[in-house]
Amino acid sequence: AQKITQTQPGMFVQEKEAVTLDCTYDTSDPSYGLFWYKQPSSGEMIFLIYQGSYDQQNATEGRYSLNFQKARKSANLVISASQLGDSAMYFCAMRGDSSNTGKLIFGQGTTLQVKP
Amino acid sequence: DAEITQSPRHKITETGRQVTLACHQTWNHNNMFWYRQDLGHGLRLIHYSYGVQDTNKGEVSDGYSVSRSNTEDLPLTLESAASSQTSVYFCASSESARSEQYFGPGTRLTVT
Repeated sequence: AQKITQTQPGMFVQEKEAVTLDCTYDTSDPSYGLFWYKQPSSGEMIFLIYQGSYDQQNATEGRYSLNFQKARKSANLVISASQLGDSAMYFCAMRGDSSNTGKLIFGQGTTLQVKP
Repeated sequence: DAEITQSPRHKITETGRQVTLACHQTWNHNNMFWYRQDLGHGLRLIHYSYGVQDTNKGEVSDGYSVSRSNTEDLPLTLESAASSQTSVYFCASSESARSEQYFGPGTRLTVT
């Protein structure tokens, strides 16, 4: 069975500092994808970043980077230079590729609050 | 710009009534998904479709059905609404099974 675990229900960070949101996963699929989504208070789900299990480099998208440690089965999101607009719920998700269904399994989310 | 929309955005209904939530995307994506979001559970997959006339059950499909008569739309029907189906419902689409999914704005459904 596939599982995503986000152990931090809530996090605080000072504006302009970096923050790491933790995500660990469990899967028996040799090929899989890992995603991070942001959900602001307005409720929409915004795609942030993607990492494939065979990608050699850690994914980066602007201020977002994914610290992918395959042996540890972790896919932490790093947000650099936090901004007030980063305050939101963040979800880690995984897609197993053996079934080629595209289905995502989500973690329970981490609420991030950026302090001015 | 291409987009994915959901309607209604908010709905209150009574137990036992049939309810249909609409999802429409203009990306011409073959893959479409319905999720529900509840506190403590994150998002859970209800149904998904890979194309016209194709539908599949997700992990929490009981009490829900979908139909896919064209590429753009995947309506979600609650056959007989129950209070346990009070939730926020998200529709998503992706270009392929390995692409990122783009989500609609969500529908907040309350069953009284």
